[in-house]
Amino acid sequence: LAKTTQPISMDSYEGQEVNITCSHNNIATNDYITWYQQFPSQGPRFIIQGYKTKVTNEVASLFIPADRKSSTLSLPRVSLSDTAVYYCLVGAPMGNEKLTFGTGTRLTIIP
Amino acid sequence: GAVVSQHPSWVICKSGTSVKIECRSLDFQATTMFWYRQFPKQSLMLMATSNEGSKATYEQGVEKDKFLINHASLTLSTLTVTSAHPEDSSFYICSAHSGTSGTTDTQYFGPGTRLTVL
Repeated sequence: LAKTTQPISMDSYEGQEVNITCSHNNIATNDYITWYQQFPSQGPRFIIQGYKTKVTNEVASLFIPADRKSSTLSLPRVSLSDTAVYYCLVGAPMGNEKLTFGTGTRLTIIP
Repeated sequence: GAVVSQHPSWVICKSGTSVKIECRSLDFQATTMFWYRQFPKQSLMLMATSNEGSKATYEQGVEKDKFLINHASLTLSTLTVTSAHPEDSSFYICSAHSGTSGTTDTQYFGPGTRLTVL
C-alpha cells in the first residue's frame, strides 16, 4: 500500500474553506484515494473517494492532479463540528483490501 | 451508506478475564471484516483480517492465541481478548466491506468498543 504524508495538525476559523493536502508519491496505477473523518471515541467515517481530477459530494470535494502524487480534501465553510482527525488512504478500489492508516491530520476549528 | 455496529460500546473487566466484542454488518453481507486497535492520540492499527468461513489473517506482532477472531456468518465477526491485561486497554474498531453495486467500494467502520482492563 502506498504511504501517505499529511500535516499533523491544522487550525481554521469557522466559516472558512479548509484544504488538507496529502502526498502519496508511490501511488499505483490501480489505487484510489479515500478520505475518512474520525471524531474522538468513534469509528472513522467515509467522506469521499476518487481516482483522478475532481470529485464532489454533499460534504467535501477532492482534487487530484494529473500525476496523482498528491490529493487535496476541501471542506467548504467549516463549522465547529468539523473538528476531527482526517485520514487520507490510498489503495486498490476493492474495499476488501486491508487499509493502512497514517498519522492523519488533526483539524481544529476555532470559533 | 452501509451500517456496521459493534457491541458492547464499552466494557470494563478484571485482569485475567476474557472479553468478547461483536461486529455486525446490519444491511449488507460482508465476507471480509477487519479489526483495528487504537490507543489514545494514535492512529488505527490493523490487527487482523477476518474471513467468513476460514481462519483470520493476523498482522505481524499480533498474538493470534490472545486475540481470537471468529467470522461465523456473513454479517457477524467476533473478537475475543483472552486473559486480558491492563496493556490491552484500548479502543477496538471493526470495519466491513460493502461491495453492493451502486455504492462506493470502500470499507465502513463500526462505532468502536472501549475496553478497560483493571
